[in-house]
Amino acid sequence: EVQLVESGGVVVQPGGSLRLSCAASGFTFDDYTMHWVRQAPGKGLEWVSLISWDGGSTYYADSVKGRFTISRDNSKNSLYLQMNSLRTEDTALYYCAKASLPMVRGVHFDYWGQGTLVTVSS
Amino acid sequence: EIVMTQSPATLSVSPGERATLSCRASQSVSSNLAWYQQKPGQAPRLLIYGASTRATGIPARFSGSGSGTEFTLTISSLQSEDFAVYYCQQYNNWPKYTFGQGTKLEIK
Repeated sequence: EVQLVESGGVVVQPGGSLRLSCAASGFTFDDYTMHWVRQAPGKGLEWVSLISWDGGSTYYADSVKGRFTISRDNSKNSLYLQMNSLRTEDTALYYCAKASLPMVRGVHFDYWGQGTLVTVSS
Repeated sequence: EIVMTQSPATLSVSPGERATLSCRASQSVSSNLAWYQQKPGQAPRLLIYGASTRATGIPARFSGSGSGTEFTLTISSLQSEDFAVYYCQQYNNWPKYTFGQGTKLEIK
């Protein structure tokens, strides 16, 4: 059974930093592109970032480019999101999500974690 | 960036009736379109991908259609567990994935 479990969400002040983690199990982690998607309170879904199966390619939404860094440790079946220079508008539930096919670009997401809440507030 | 526009924002339908949700892309996304269902306090769940293929375990009352810029999600006979928010997502314009703003399906 595929499981994705996010952690690391807390309350942080504007300008602060935070690292989110996503622990994956139930599939061959190093075969799949992984994503971060966020959802502000009461709002819709916003794609944040992706990292290719081997970690060699990373991409970001314009809203977080230069402030967030996605990474993965395939030996630990873990995905990370380093968040710097946080703004109040980064307040959201952050989900990790798995690409549906191995080693392929441009596919939908088939599994999502339950999310971890990041609150940016003074 | 491809903008995905869903309509209506809220749809009120009685149990047992048919619901039709729409999603429009600002430019062609071919058939690279997915639908997700999200219930309160839960993560999104994949319903449809490739515009019309049901995901594993999704009941046959859910169907998707369309290609290019116009897409439809149809739920043929609404069950109580179907009342939720539905999002479309395009994955044609890799790596810039975009979602629609969602349609809330509520009980009439």
